[in-house]
Amino acid sequence: DTAVSQTPKYLVTQMGNDKSIKCEQNLGHDTMYWYKQDSKKFLKIMFSYNNKELIINETVPNRFSPKSPDKAHLNLHINSLELGDSAVYFCASSLPGTTYGYTFGSGTRLTVV
Amino acid sequence: KQEVTQIPAALSVPEGENLVLNCSFTDSAIYNLQWFRQDPGKGLTSLLLIQSSQREQTSGRLNASLDKSSGRSTLYIAASQPGDSATYLCAVNTGNQFYFGTGTSLTVIP
Repeated sequence: DTAVSQTPKYLVTQMGNDKSIKCEQNLGHDTMYWYKQDSKKFLKIMFSYNNKELIINETVPNRFSPKSPDKAHLNLHINSLELGDSAVYFCASSLPGTTYGYTFGSGTRLTVV
Repeated sequence: KQEVTQIPAALSVPEGENLVLNCSFTDSAIYNLQWFRQDPGKGLTSLLLIQSSQREQTSGRLNASLDKSSGRSTLYIAASQPGDSATYLCAVNTGNQFYFGTGTSLTVIP
């Protein structure tokens, strides 16, 4: 199946732990994104990578570090997890340029206890 | 900075009714606008992508219109069905990212 896939789908962890979320797309897209959806369902961009190069880095704590080993993968590593990090994290991808839409992954629900 | 607003926040209609969801944005300098559907606990499914040069796009029972100059888009759903119940999100593309609205939660009552 052609898609954007994220793992894991659910992640429950204790405060202070370090965790990673993986994202892979087989659509041949050059640009990948991480979005955070808060408890009020508002989606806000965190990072954008184009062909492994960081393009957008919104105001996100430096505990969050994206890593793109190749243009098909964009992983999100989070250090020293805090309660406020609990949210749903979505990966998305698109072709470069301004005429294309996004394809989203199914999300990773992170719960920090 | 682009701000995207969706009204109403929630909508409940009887099955079979036609309905309109609204999306407004503050900066008309957009490249395109995308409507998504999100089911509870699920990801975002793209419904329609409308380019800034287009006035509308249609897919089945869905029709999206765009008035870039006034900063508005509407999503028209014809003959609504219970399976249409979901949250509908609009997002505007400013060139390097999409800005999302807060969504309209739609419930279609059988």
